[in-house]
Amino acid sequence: AQSVTQLGSHVSVSEGALVLLRCNYSSSVPPYLFWYVQYPNQGLQLLLKYTSAATLVKGINGFEAEFKKSETSFHLTKPSAHMSDAAEYFCAVSFFGNEKLTFGTGTRLTIIP
Amino acid sequence: GAGVSQSPSNKVTEKGKDVELRCDPISGHTALYWYRQRLGQGLEFLIYFQGNSAPDKSGLPSDRFSAERTGESVSTLTIQRTQQEDSAVYLCASSLLAGELFFGEGSRLTVL
Repeated sequence: AQSVTQLGSHVSVSEGALVLLRCNYSSSVPPYLFWYVQYPNQGLQLLLKYTSAATLVKGINGFEAEFKKSETSFHLTKPSAHMSDAAEYFCAVSFFGNEKLTFGTGTRLTIIP
Repeated sequence: GAGVSQSPSNKVTEKGKDVELRCDPISGHTALYWYRQRLGQGLEFLIYFQGNSAPDKSGLPSDRFSAERTGESVSTLTIQRTQQEDSAVYLCASSLLAGELFFGEGSRLTVL
């Protein structure tokens, strides 16, 4: 069975600072990995995905994530935080042949002016 | 429609009553998912429909929960004899490509 663990239910960063949201996965087969974002009062939307092509994946709004098999990680980063990045971020995993996404518990990102 | 539509957006019910939650997926999306999000928690998978295949019901928490989907269109999630622990936001999503889910804004259920 696959699962993801998100370290830190709440993360606060200053505007302009680096954003780092952590996600570690557990999967017995090569995983597909995703980050979803939920802005206040909106539905979840896909931020980026890894499906076994390039290990560094770029998404919307300047976010990117790197798949590291040796560390079983798929951390989300953004070089410079913007106030509009305040949201809840979810990491998710599936694998080829099974489209059921298993989500992490989420990380709420707060941006400090 | 332009996106996934869910109704009702809010539902307050009494313990023991049955509720139905509806989801209209994006036209042409073959896959449809139901998730539950309890306050302060992550998304809990409930059920997954893909085309004409048998649904993956492995996440349904009890036999009080059931879901149907008509072809590749509307889905209804039914909760019978609601309990207070059923209070949550129920999220529906549809997709055409694996993993690329488009979510509705959810149905918030409160069981008194």
